[in-house]
Amino acid sequence: GQNIDQPTEMTATEGAIVQINCTYQTSGFNGLFWYQQHAGEAPTFLSYNVLDGLEEKGRFSSFLSRSKGYSYLLLKELQMKDSASYLCAVRDSNYQLIWGAGTKLIIKP
Amino acid sequence: IAGITQAPTSQILAAGRRMTLRCTQDMRHNAMYWYRQDLGLGLRLIHYSNTAGTTGKGEVPDGYSVSRANTDDFPLTLASAVPSQTSVYFCASSVSEGSDIQYFGAGTRLSVL
Repeated sequence: GQNIDQPTEMTATEGAIVQINCTYQTSGFNGLFWYQQHAGEAPTFLSYNVLDGLEEKGRFSSFLSRSKGYSYLLLKELQMKDSASYLCAVRDSNYQLIWGAGTKLIIKP
Repeated sequence: IAGITQAPTSQILAAGRRMTLRCTQDMRHNAMYWYRQDLGLGLRLIHYSNTAGTTGKGEVPDGYSVSRANTDDFPLTLASAVPSQTSVYFCASSVSEGSDIQYFGAGTRLSVL
């Protein structure tokens, strides 16, 4: 079966750095996505990796290792507004997105 | 502002009733999707449409139907609602089925009693 695993909840301090991990087992691989979802709102796109390595976009970076079935999202200089759920999704061989359950990130002052 | 509009925002429905959730996008995207989101689970694909006039089944299609008469609209119908269909429903769209980014509507919170 297809499976995306990520921690249920993480807590971090304002101004710090946090790494949210995602491991996957899917039928085929055509890219990995990270989305941010604030409580009661729609998911919004953060990043996309299809090749191994690190993609940096401002305070957010995303890493992919296809051989290990592993990705992480790195958030730097945390702000209170970063409190949200972070969703990992993999596009499979049918070009459908398989979603993890999300990691709820709590930022404390 | 361009984007995806879903209606209603929330709904309480008696079991056995028929319900249509509306979704409209003005980005001229070819592909559209319906997901449900339940606590502790990832988004699960119900149905999708790669282009107007075509639809396909996702991971959890039973009890739901869709139509895609034109590019902009992609309604989701529950023919006879059951309590297990209580969920938050998100409509999304992308330029094409292989596109990088899916854009989501604000969601419909549905409770079936």
